[in-house]
Amino acid sequence: GQQVMQIPQYQHVQEGEDFTTYCNSSTTLSNIQWYKQRPGGHPVFLIQLVKSGEVKKQKRLTFQFGEAKKNSSLHITATQTTDVGTYFCATADSNYQLIWGAGTKLIIKP
Amino acid sequence: KAGVTQTPRYLIKTRGQQVTLSCSPISGHRSVSWYQQTPGQGLQFLFEYFSETQRNKGNFPGRFSGRQFSNSRSEMNVSTLELGDSALYLCASSLEQGMYEQYFGPGTRLTVT
Repeated sequence: GQQVMQIPQYQHVQEGEDFTTYCNSSTTLSNIQWYKQRPGGHPVFLIQLVKSGEVKKQKRLTFQFGEAKKNSSLHITATQTTDVGTYFCATADSNYQLIWGAGTKLIIKP
Repeated sequence: KAGVTQTPRYLIKTRGQQVTLSCSPISGHRSVSWYQQTPGQGLQFLFEYFSETQRNKGNFPGRFSGRQFSNSRSEMNVSTLELGDSALYLCASSLEQGMYEQYFGPGTRLTVT
């Protein structure tokens, strides 16, 4: 079945540094969604990308969908403590079931 | 508009018992999905209901079951609880099936002793 590989599993950064998480697939993705889960919270929808090469920005967050629609990335510029959490990507398979990446945990070093 | 609600929020059960968890989706949402999340783990898909029919099912044993009512509210049941069933159970609703954003409830924290 369809799978999305999300890397890295963890990323430790100093506050103010950048953060990037990647989702990769061996097959073409119809579209991709990104979610954020704060510690102790539940996943919250961030954005959906559908077009090849699409780039969307939300303040310090930049989302990209690859030209071949086989990969996507989320980049955070100048991380803040409020960015701490786990970021998940998800895509729908042919049965409309959401397939989730394993998540990348953003940890701010003290 | 009220968000997704889940009841109960916390539950402690003994091994061998059964449990029923409830989820009320956002008004107008017809699709409800259930996930299991254990500490440090990602989201493990249990099943999805749409128009009272199970549309997709994850790789969980038959002890895990669910249903959806005509008002889109959903319940999931776990029979013969095992220690490994201790987890956060999340419900998510979306407008329709497919690539619509999912809105998650706060979850039910189940502890099996």
